[in-house]
Amino acid sequence: GENVEQHPSTLSVQEGDSAVIKCTYSDSASNYFPWYKQELGKRPQLIIDIRSNVGEKKDQRIAVTLNKTAKHFSLHITETQPEDSAVYFCAASKGRAAGNKLTFGGGTRVLVKP
Amino acid sequence: GAGVSQSPSNKVTEKGKDVELRCDPISGHTALYWYRQSLGQGLEFLIYFQGNSAPDKSGLPSDRFSAERTGGSVSTLTIQRTQQEDSAVYLCASSSGGARRWTQYFGPGTRLLVL
Repeated sequence: GENVEQHPSTLSVQEGDSAVIKCTYSDSASNYFPWYKQELGKRPQLIIDIRSNVGEKKDQRIAVTLNKTAKHFSLHITETQPEDSAVYFCAASKGRAAGNKLTFGGGTRVLVKP
Repeated sequence: GAGVSQSPSNKVTEKGKDVELRCDPISGHTALYWYRQSLGQGLEFLIYFQGNSAPDKSGLPSDRFSAERTGGSVSTLTIQRTQQEDSAVYLCASSSGGARRWTQYFGPGTRLLVL
């Protein structure tokens, strides 16, 4: 089955700096890659996603890039703020053929220091 | 509108007892998923329901775990003869059948502690 690896497991950045989280996946049939943010004790919230027919997607300070050949995708957060502190999870899905079920990475704990 | 809801929010049980966890998906969402999140870990897929199709049970860790979805809406995850390793947060998610059918919206989870 699909396997998703996520790095780093923890990331500490100074407010205003950029943060980058990387994920690799094993199944070339995966075609949907969402990123979720989970604050302590809260539910995971979708922050951005990308389909395999697109190489990059941006939403304000957040961007995701996808390299299908290398089977990896990354989350980029620019101008980090203290409220960006949370655990971020990447995930991969093979879409409708596999019921859209998500395989998650292990998570990255991001701490933004003021 | 209302998001995905789950109950109870917390459950403490003794080893060997059965527990039932409930999920109310977003109204109109045809797909419902259960995931498990162990302490400090990522989310692990358990089971998936889509409309009236047979559920995908491929992620259930043992036959002590089962789930049903009544009337295409509410779902119940049952864990029989609970073990300490079952302690985790159980998350439910739902998605629509429309243009954003691949987007899953999560509930707040049920935190299960088996003593």
